Amino acid sequence: DAKTTQPPSMDCAEGRAANLPCNHSTISGNEYVYWYRQIHSQGPQYIIHGLKNNETNEMASLIITEDRKSSTLILPHATLRDTAVYYCIVRSPSGNTPLVFGKGTRLSVIA
Amino acid sequence: KAGVTQTPRYLIKTRGQQVTLSCSPISGHRSVSWYQQTPGQGLQFLFEYFSETQRNKGNFPGRFSGRQFSNSRSEMNVSTLELGDSALYLCASSSWTGGNTEAFFGQGTRLTVV
Repeated sequence: DAKTTQPPSMDCAEGRAANLPCNHSTISGNEYVYWYRQIHSQGPQYIIHGLKNNETNEMASLIITEDRKSSTLILPHATLRDTAVYYCIVRSPSGNTPLVFGKGTRLSVIA
Repeated sequence: KAGVTQTPRYLIKTRGQQVTLSCSPISGHRSVSWYQQTPGQGLQFLFEYFSETQRNKGNFPGRFSGRQFSNSRSEMNVSTLELGDSALYLCASSSWTGGNTEAFFGQGTRLTVV
């Protein structure tokens, strides 16, 4: 079962920042937080992942709380093409651990 | 760098038949994982192969099987197809197996069983 809780849906105005929350209160000390998104009928796309520190790449920023029990994915300037289902995943660092997808958050970016 | 390639993209099969799906990972990647996506169950893990060895398996019946070749290409097979096997089958490749490794997905094979 997924170890994360996400809101089922969110709306965001085009050009504004989209802040997607994720609760992972049972996360272990060495588990990573991953974010993927899936645009309709396509394969999931890797966005970003982190362990303790905040991370930023060309797509997004990941903010992890100090107690690591929750995180927020930030898309700084959402566009219509960011409309997708966003999945927050907690994953063990050891080998043989698959990505366990929950239901994710359906983000709708509105013009 | 080419991405993950899955073939075919679409497939229609009849109940009772078998099907083989193919996945070519990103060059240099040695781990290939397979997932099934249905509207009711979402994305579910099938199995993972690393260096030709199955490393992990999800909770699917034995009708679902896979293999990986020495060039890291992978195939999955579903025998005695059932209507409920209709789904999007996704393949993901990564350079290593483990929790600090990004996995990159293909576009999937959409299987319809009639």
